[in-house]
Amino acid sequence: EAAVTQSPRSKVAVTGGKVTLSCHQTNNHDYMYWYRQDTGHGLRLIHYSYVADSTEKGDIPDGYKASRPSQENFSLILELASLSQTAVYFCASRDRNTLYFGAGTRLSVL
Amino acid sequence: QQQVRQSPQSLTVWEGETAILNCSYEDSTFNYFPWYQQFPGEGPALLISIRSVSDKKEDGRFTIFFNKREKKLSLHITDSQPGDSATYFCAARGGSALGRLHFGAGTQLIVIP
Repeated sequence: EAAVTQSPRSKVAVTGGKVTLSCHQTNNHDYMYWYRQDTGHGLRLIHYSYVADSTEKGDIPDGYKASRPSQENFSLILELASLSQTAVYFCASRDRNTLYFGAGTRLSVL
Repeated sequence: QQQVRQSPQSLTVWEGETAILNCSYEDSTFNYFPWYQQFPGEGPALLISIRSVSDKKEDGRFTIFFNKREKKLSLHITDSQPGDSATYFCAARGGSALGRLHFGAGTQLIVIP
């Protein structure tokens, strides 16, 4: 059973629209992360959280917000989606030195 | 600036050959280096890792060689199998275990039967 579940698995959004990507973990981990994957760039950190009701900016936070309402749930919010935000997004939880990734959400902004 | 660099971007080997994936880093305070393996349509998963106090880490057919002086490391996959075809990410972290990981851009490995 997948311990980190992302939804939706794929989404098509319109430019300027609002997009919410959801992540749920059953690992009981404190740390959760949102990464973006683009060809040639690998994985880049957008936001992370180490406790419920608190989020931190990663390396590329512009244009993204995050929400951690509980230990299990971590959302990524694009208030005004743009073409440049077309990418695959991964959520992960962390136990000590190991990141456990979800299967990803493929977002296409048109 | 990219803290972790990987080469080549893509690598094709025949089944049974040894694949060598390279990684280098900038920050001399980095002390933990995991490699993650990603299959198409899936999220990355930890494959093997090494700490800077070691110069070699082996796990079955997968071996990390680490050169602290040159700030380089490499992942060797011996007796490559078609099932090893995946993208491999080198990552690095410094300081405490709470520090964030910096990922390279990845190497796509294709193993031809």
